[in-house]
Amino acid sequence: EAGVTQFPSHSVIEKGQTVTLRCDPISGHDNLYWYRRVMGKEIKFLLHFVKESKQDESGMPNNRFLAERTGGTYSTLKVQPAELEDSGVYFCASSQGEYQPQHFGDGTRLSIL
Amino acid sequence: SQQGEEDPQALSIQEGENATMNCSYKTSINNLQWYRQNSGRGLVHLILIRSNEREKHSGRLRVTLDTSKKSSSLLITASRAADTASYFCAASSGTYKYIFGTGTRLKVLA
Repeated sequence: EAGVTQFPSHSVIEKGQTVTLRCDPISGHDNLYWYRRVMGKEIKFLLHFVKESKQDESGMPNNRFLAERTGGTYSTLKVQPAELEDSGVYFCASSQGEYQPQHFGDGTRLSIL
Repeated sequence: SQQGEEDPQALSIQEGENATMNCSYKTSINNLQWYRQNSGRGLVHLILIRSNEREKHSGRLRVTLDTSKKSSSLLITASRAADTASYFCAASSGTYKYIFGTGTRLKVLA
């Protein structure tokens, strides 16, 4: 079974540019989550999808972040325009049910210059 | 305020020794999980302990939970160089929203 895959593994962009991160969950997992770890700090929840619906986006930092999951399969997280404080590692996770362990991808390391 | 604070932040031990990491959290939980992260990789689920459990074992891992002290510990016995990684606890109040700590960086020297 393929795990959660994220693309790209690393992205370096300049402040003000746009970046889109992609996450492919484990096949059959309806629940998809985005987390972020800013350097040296804790991993923080961003949002949760059940299929294509956003169940909870309370962790999204501001309206420069837009997450989508069209068709309930893969998800994208767009940052537009990127700011310096957006640098960090963005993790995606998926689970079969809400109360089951979440399986994480390797993350996308985002560097804003 | 931050939940799931791990202690120590970094730990260096010799192969064969035991490694103990602690985690504290601030509010009531339904379960607590421990994850491992190898450098540059994702989080790997290790073990889940529910609030009504006090201890759980999985191979060389032993997790304890003290809900009165709002703390948990992860013990890795007979450590190996391959155990070198960062370890995170994640507290859940019963929903999907995990609250992670900053992690403990474990280095096992061969």
